[in-house]
Amino acid sequence: DSGVTQTPKHLITATGQRVTLRCSPRSGDLSVYWYQQSLDQGLQFLIQYYNGEERAKGNILERFSAQQFPDLHSELNLSSLELGDSALYFCASTAPGQGSSGANVLTFGAGSRLTVL
Amino acid sequence: AQKVTQAQTEISVVEKEDVTLDCVYETRDTTYYLFWYKQPPSGELVFLIRRNSFDEQNEISGRYSWNFQKSTSSFNFTITASQVVDSAVYFCALTDNDYKLSFGAGTTVTVRA
Repeated sequence: DSGVTQTPKHLITATGQRVTLRCSPRSGDLSVYWYQQSLDQGLQFLIQYYNGEERAKGNILERFSAQQFPDLHSELNLSSLELGDSALYFCASTAPGQGSSGANVLTFGAGSRLTVL
Repeated sequence: AQKVTQAQTEISVVEKEDVTLDCVYETRDTTYYLFWYKQPPSGELVFLIRRNSFDEQNEISGRYSWNFQKSTSSFNFTITASQVVDSAVYFCALTDNDYKLSFGAGTTVTVRA
């Protein structure tokens, strides 16, 4: 168990729907990252939050949004879902003081597998 | 732009054989960090090693070893005396200081008993 908790583990939904993926970082970690793993795109960085503030943005679609709450858990909202959004979505966290360095060692959760039918 | 290439898509070996995974990277930065992660069949991503661009020392951790060569922009990973539990997808990744890890496509290692 990495200490990063992601729910749900599996989610099946239909095109056009909206889902929310939840992530609880390791105790004490301030940074949360979201990654998408799909067959055609591989592992792609979506977005990073540090202590509630958006820190960096990657290849995140406009239909997707995220936030980090005061208790440091994070949610990734995916709307107007398309078949191509089917993927494994990972959350990762890093320890305090590492949020400002590219040398971060990311601790990943087990992922949320989204299937869009 | 940063790029990580793992040319080997799949490698299959018999238990106790050694296996080397290749990783070639591209970056314009002088300061950067390289990583290897393992993704077992259960799906989670497990950190194996981090190396910064100023540290070209090779590293050994148990049956795992890493060879970093800046001259060839390579950061190869060897599993010695492989075991069935080593079966997984292995990812090489690169970042400078912009928080984004660029992952390679991954190499699937299958170790047969």
